[in-house]
Amino acid sequence: GNSVTQMEGPVTLSEEAFLTINCTYTATGYPSLFWYVQYPGEGLQLLLKATKADDKGSNKGFEATYRKETTSFHLEKGSVQVSDSAVYFCARGVQGDYKLSFGAGTTVTVRA
Amino acid sequence: GAGVSQSPRYKVTKRGQDVALRCDPISGHVSLYWYRQALGQGPEFLTYFNYEAQQDKSGLPNDRFSAERPEGSISTLTIQRTEQRDSAMYRCASSYAGAGEQYFGPGTRLTVT
Repeated sequence: GNSVTQMEGPVTLSEEAFLTINCTYTATGYPSLFWYVQYPGEGLQLLLKATKADDKGSNKGFEATYRKETTSFHLEKGSVQVSDSAVYFCARGVQGDYKLSFGAGTTVTVRA
Repeated sequence: GAGVSQSPRYKVTKRGQDVALRCDPISGHVSLYWYRQALGQGPEFLTYFNYEAQQDKSGLPNDRFSAERPEGSISTLTIQRTEQRDSAMYRCASSYAGAGEQYFGPGTRLTVT
């Protein structure tokens, strides 16, 4: 079964609002954790990653902290923009991280 | 530089036909991956190559699915005797080395009628 569970969407926000997308994973060992983003009409892009417990990944104002005690990797951004409208996927590495296991994706729409 | 490219971008085929999906990875990338993504779901792993060697094909759903990468660069995912349940987005990714950051192509949307 899927070893990554993320918050269901869709999520609709106003510009400058705070965004959180929850992600939890099942853990055997210490997998690397990732957030990928898919903007409309584009392919998947790596947004940020963390490779060990307590690491914080950050990019484009987004942050996520690898929490081993809660097996979570929640994505946050303090002030979203219309250009952040996209589908966000949480993922974990499997078997040495060459294989990725993805969550179902969360669609985020930011309104001006 | 050029990213991962996939062709065709869209493919409509009749049930029972064979299809071949192509992936051209980023130049110099050793590892290549195939994923399948159903509507409303995240990508699911199909298979993985290091150079020309297929290292893991555990995600291929049945023996109608096969993949090759004969010269360690371009890869082809072949689906024989397609069925409607094969309809999905097929995504290819490459990385400089196994467990490195994976760069995804735009995907091929396959529709089996």
